[in-house]
Amino acid sequence: NAGVIQTPRHKVTGKGQEATLWCEPISGHSAVFWYRQTIVQGLEFLTYFRNQAPIDDSGMPKERFSAQMPNQSHSTLKIQSTQPQDSAVYLCASSRDTGNTLYFGEGSRLIVV
Amino acid sequence: QQKVQQSPESLIVPEGGMASLNCTFSDRNSQYFWWYRQHSGEGPKALMSIFSNGDKKEGRFTAHLNKASLYVSLHIKDSQPSDSALYFCAVSKGGSGNKLIFGTGTLLSVKP
Repeated sequence: NAGVIQTPRHKVTGKGQEATLWCEPISGHSAVFWYRQTIVQGLEFLTYFRNQAPIDDSGMPKERFSAQMPNQSHSTLKIQSTQPQDSAVYLCASSRDTGNTLYFGEGSRLIVV
Repeated sequence: QQKVQQSPESLIVPEGGMASLNCTFSDRNSQYFWWYRQHSGEGPKALMSIFSNGDKKEGRFTAHLNKASLYVSLHIKDSQPSDSALYFCAVSKGGSGNKLIFGTGTLLSVKP
């Protein structure tokens, strides 16, 4: 079991550019979650999918962030027109179903300069 | 909006000592509680879950839950340097389709 795989591990992007982060959940897990981690805000929920369907995106900044899950083996988080305040570690997690233990990837560190 | 607060923010204990971490939550409909641990450069990993009031022991780790008091705690007995990490409590209301809200975190350092 390879665990949750996130790519890239590190990304540096210029202000105003687009950033796309990828997540491959554990095979057989039906729920996929995205979180953002910063020193100031801690671990913030962004959005999640169940059986590829978007269930709750209440944590997503509305204007520039979007998440997709086109198939059961990967999900993407896209940030358009990146801003310095988007700098964070973006964590993807999967679970067998909602309400079960989350298994996190190692995260994608995004730095916006 | 659920608020999950942890105390202390940081904690230093000697090797072999007891570490006690506290967590309060605001939503009385909360049903499921986890403790996660995060070592530097890694994603959080689940330590243990607790769903019923009272104590639950797993090896050196004991979780305590009091839903009426909106309180959950984690005690680490015989702390080891490898226990040094960021600890989060996480809370969900349960039911289908419910997200996990994480606390503010406690940074534990175990000194040899």
